Amino acid sequence: DAKTTQPPSMDCAEGRAANLPCNHSTISGNEYVYWYRQIHSQGPQYIIHGLKNNETNEMASLIITEDRKSSTLILPHATLRDTAVYYCIVRVALGYQKVTFGIGTKLQVIP
Amino acid sequence: GAGVSQSPRYKVAKRGQDVALRCDPISGHVSLFWYQQALGQGPEFLTYFQNEAQLDKSGLPSDRFFAERPEGSVSTLKIQRTQQEDSAVYLCASGFLGASTDTQYFGPGTRLTVL
Repeated sequence: DAKTTQPPSMDCAEGRAANLPCNHSTISGNEYVYWYRQIHSQGPQYIIHGLKNNETNEMASLIITEDRKSSTLILPHATLRDTAVYYCIVRVALGYQKVTFGIGTKLQVIP
Repeated sequence: GAGVSQSPRYKVAKRGQDVALRCDPISGHVSLFWYQQALGQGPEFLTYFQNEAQLDKSGLPSDRFFAERPEGSVSTLKIQRTQQEDSAVYLCASGFLGASTDTQYFGPGTRLTVL
């Protein structure tokens, strides 16, 4: 069973910020939150990950609540190319751990 | 640089045929994963290799599914006596082991259709 829950779909206007929520209430102390996205007909692509501090890279920002039970992926200025399925997963950062993807959130960016 | 490649990209098989799907991971990557993705679903774990050792095959749905990575690089997923329920996209991912991010890099997948 997936360790995370996400809304099945969301819409966002082009140029606006897309905020994608994820609940992971059973996250363990050594587990990180990872985000991947999958554009149609492609393999999943890594976006960002974090433990407890907020993280930012060239693609997105990740906000993790203080209790670490939920997080939000932020795409600051969504473009049509950001239309994809976004997966939130939790896993240990180093070493092997079987990953469960769940069904993710289908983000539709609207012109 | 070169990413993970998979071949063929598309495969159509008649029910009962055997198929072999190939994955070429990024050079130097120790970890290799196979996933099965049904239409409208997220990727489902099949099996995991660390170099040539298959450390976890708990996700393989039946004994018709077999995976190997004999030299620790290229991997092959074989499905014997294919059934219609095997129709899916099969994804391969590779990664470093012990790197600070240890992210998985995915290939484009092989879409298998069993008629």
